[in-house]
Amino acid sequence: DAKTTQPPSMDCAEGRAANLPCNHSTISGNEYVYWYRQIHSQGPQYIIHGLKNNETNEMASLIITEDRKSCTLILPHATLRDTAVYYCIVPSGTYKYIFGTGTRLKVLA
Amino acid sequence: DVKVTQSSRYLVKRTGEKVFLECVQDMDHENMFWYRQDPGLGLRLIYFSYDVKMKEKGDIPEGYSVSREKKERFSLILESASTNQTSMYLCASSAARRAANYGYTFGSGTRLTVV
Repeated sequence: DAKTTQPPSMDCAEGRAANLPCNHSTISGNEYVYWYRQIHSQGPQYIIHGLKNNETNEMASLIITEDRKSCTLILPHATLRDTAVYYCIVPSGTYKYIFGTGTRLKVLA
Repeated sequence: DVKVTQSSRYLVKRTGEKVFLECVQDMDHENMFWYRQDPGLGLRLIYFSYDVKMKEKGDIPEGYSVSREKKERFSLILESASTNQTSMYLCASSAARRAANYGYTFGSGTRLTVV
């Protein structure tokens, strides 16, 4: 099964950029990497996804390495409301994704 | 906005009861999924369905069954609830059969307690 590796936890000062890394060395050439976040006791929320090129939306930026084996999610100006668990996922088989335990990001005032 | 609606936010059931968790999506998505989430274990896939009346086992199907009679609805059934099934249950859907290019939309979750 496809797998991602993320650090279990990170801290970030409010107002600073939060950079969350993810390794996904088993990703195939046509598979996207997705990022979700989960705030306590809620369902995971979509953040961003990418294939090869870097991506940016109103929530975050995604930087994907040229070999596609890793990526970094960037929250440019972290706020207290960004405190959550962040999941990086890639497809596992035809239909589904496998979630790991994610990175618990704590934004500090 | 795509909506995935889970019928209950919190549920308390007794050991041995038959429990139905319902999930409905309103965007004509092909695939639907049931995960459970426990502290320290992340999200684990129980069952998924890629078409009406089709189902596939995930990583932890024991003690569960599912039903998908209509495209928009995917039910998770605990045939005889046990205390080790106390968990947060999350339903998700995705737009196409091939997951590679489509992500998930999640419901808000059902926190089930079996006493």
